[in-house]
Amino acid sequence: DAGVIQSPRHEVTEMGQEVTLRCKPISGHDYLFWYRQTMMRGLELLIYFNNNVPIDDSGMPEDRFSAKMPNASFSTLKIQPSEPRDSAVYFCASSGIAGGTLSIQYFGAGTRLSVL
Amino acid sequence: EDQVTQSPEALRLQEGESSSLNCSYTVSGLRGLFWYRQDPGKGPEFLFTLYSAGEEKEKERLKATLTKKESFLHITAPKPEDSATYLCAVRRGGGSQGNLIFGKGTKLSVKP
Repeated sequence: DAGVIQSPRHEVTEMGQEVTLRCKPISGHDYLFWYRQTMMRGLELLIYFNNNVPIDDSGMPEDRFSAKMPNASFSTLKIQPSEPRDSAVYFCASSGIAGGTLSIQYFGAGTRLSVL
Repeated sequence: EDQVTQSPEALRLQEGESSSLNCSYTVSGLRGLFWYRQDPGKGPEFLFTLYSAGEEKEKERLKATLTKKESFLHITAPKPEDSATYLCAVRRGGGSQGNLIFGKGTKLSVKP
């Protein structure tokens, strides 16, 4: 398996623009997580899905952030409108019983977002 | 409040100089403690899971141990390729797959 795939790897945008981050989880995994990593706060969970259904979105900072998972192989995290304080690295992770190991989260390479 | 604290924030070692990284936690109903390695520009890579006090796991030069309040990642005779940020995370009880709480990590540099 190719692992968790995220796109784009880098995104530079201007304040007020809409940003969409994409994630393809490991095939067979039924949990998908979105994290944000900054120097100040470290790695923080934003939202996670189970079988395409959002389970806990308490980490989503505000209404400007939204996440969807239309099917088992694709998820998006959208920021609209974007602000400079959203600049961070966003990671997607997935987990499941595929490979026989429950609860280990496998991370993608991340999307580095810069909002100017 | 559930919390994970890692120390030191940064550690510089000479090649072959063994040391330990610390992860202290307070969490209601621990359902696993995880160690990850993160290289610059990459996502965290899973190393170990520990579930109960007294448990130990080893992988090459790394050994992770767990007590009721903290975990240690021991690095024996490190090499430059061990340089990375090491993250600790705990999973809370409640049967949920989510709710991993991460520490801010220890950045390890190993000089030849």
